[in-house]
Amino acid sequence: EDQVTQSPEALRLQEGESSSLNCSYTVSGLRGLFWYRQDPGKGPEFLFTLYSAGEEKEKERLKATLTKKESFLHITAPKPEDSATYLCAVRTQGGSEKLVFGKGTKLTVNP
Amino acid sequence: KAGVTQTPRYLIKTRGQQVTLSCSPISGHRSVSWYQQTPGQGLQFLFEYFSETQRNKGNFPGRFSGRQFSNSRSEMNVSTLELGDSALYLCASSDRASGANVLTFGAGSRLTVL
Repeated sequence: EDQVTQSPEALRLQEGESSSLNCSYTVSGLRGLFWYRQDPGKGPEFLFTLYSAGEEKEKERLKATLTKKESFLHITAPKPEDSATYLCAVRTQGGSEKLVFGKGTKLTVNP
Repeated sequence: KAGVTQTPRYLIKTRGQQVTLSCSPISGHRSVSWYQQTPGQGLQFLFEYFSETQRNKGNFPGRFSGRQFSNSRSEMNVSTLELGDSALYLCASSDRASGANVLTFGAGSRLTVL
């Protein structure tokens, strides 16, 4: 069964304190790993897609990396507006658009 | 481009009732997926529709059903509501044909079952 595990469940940082979120996965065949950001009361907002080990993508203070077993979301010098729940999801083999999500990491950045 | 629109945003029902939720995808997107989000289970896949056909279904009981219309708008229905059906129901659309396969989510419909 396809599984996605995110850690930590919650993370508190001071503004400017860099850190990383982890997403480990076991799937039958990876057709993409996705990172989303979700703010309270809103739907998930797409951040990145990674397809193969070694791939990296960056957007502002965020950088996502992928290995054969896990992905990291690195947050450099975070600001309070980066506070949100970050969700990791995988799409597996087959013709479906189905995503299997982890339970997320709730990030709080204090000023 | 307008985003994914879900209605209603909030609703309260009692056990045993049924509910219908609506989703209008991004213009041009023909794939619509539905997810249930709860604090305990996170986001769980309900089903996906493409060109008015259900393409995949998650592990939910038959009380959960959906459909898609010729204009790609989708509805999901939950019959005989139970307390455990209280959740945020999220709809997402994608441009399946392009191969980009990025799901764009709506803001969700928050269902409370009393």
